[in-house]
Amino acid sequence: DIQMTQSPSSLSASIGDRVTITCQASQDISNFLNWYQQKPGKPPKLLIYDASTLETGVPSRFSGSGSGTDFTFTISSLQPEDIATYYCQQYQYNNLPLTFGPGTKVDVK
Amino acid sequence: QVHLVQSGPEVKKPGSSVKVSCRASGDTFNGYSFSWVRQVPGQGLEWMGRITPIFRKVDNAQKFQGRVTITADKSTSTVYMELNSLRSEDTAVYYCARSRAPGLFDYWGQGTLVIVSS
Repeated sequence: DIQMTQSPSSLSASIGDRVTITCQASQDISNFLNWYQQKPGKPPKLLIYDASTLETGVPSRFSGSGSGTDFTFTISSLQPEDIATYYCQQYQYNNLPLTFGPGTKVDVK
Repeated sequence: QVHLVQSGPEVKKPGSSVKVSCRASGDTFNGYSFSWVRQVPGQGLEWMGRITPIFRKVDNAQKFQGRVTITADKSTSTVYMELNSLRSEDTAVYYCARSRAPGLFDYWGQGTLVIVSS
């Protein structure tokens, strides 16, 4: 199985801050990586796919980058509605199971 | 607009089975695959398996092999996940999720809480 790690596990930031989360895969997954946002009591929401492509309707303050084993997710200017847990997820073709990172909880300082 | 509507919460005894449904509306059912992802309260997301109804193809995570059965009824655009030999560690919210491309979950059901308790 491909193991995914994320750091930090949690962070506190002020509104307007730039927030960066990193995700690392245990082996090369090319750009087969997605990012999701999950708010309490709700299902996850797709934000970024293929490592850097913004899902339709998602605000442009969200972005992603990386390839291979190392990936970064950024919120350029944290907004109150961005308080949530963020997960990365890999989907290397024909390499099951699909796996998620452990999540990064973002809250307001 | 796509909607995935799941069945209601369940309370089950250890050793029993649970079957959760997920009805899709608003788009072509056969053109997509559907996965089941679970989340133990306060913890992360775990992929259990998926079905591609048009090909009748099922892939399960090795961890659940032999305990999980994923099926689909194309006539009602509904997918099902049955988990057997339940144990307390299976207490979780179970989500269905649609994939418009391999491994990409673009729509999710609202989640079904399954509690396993004696």
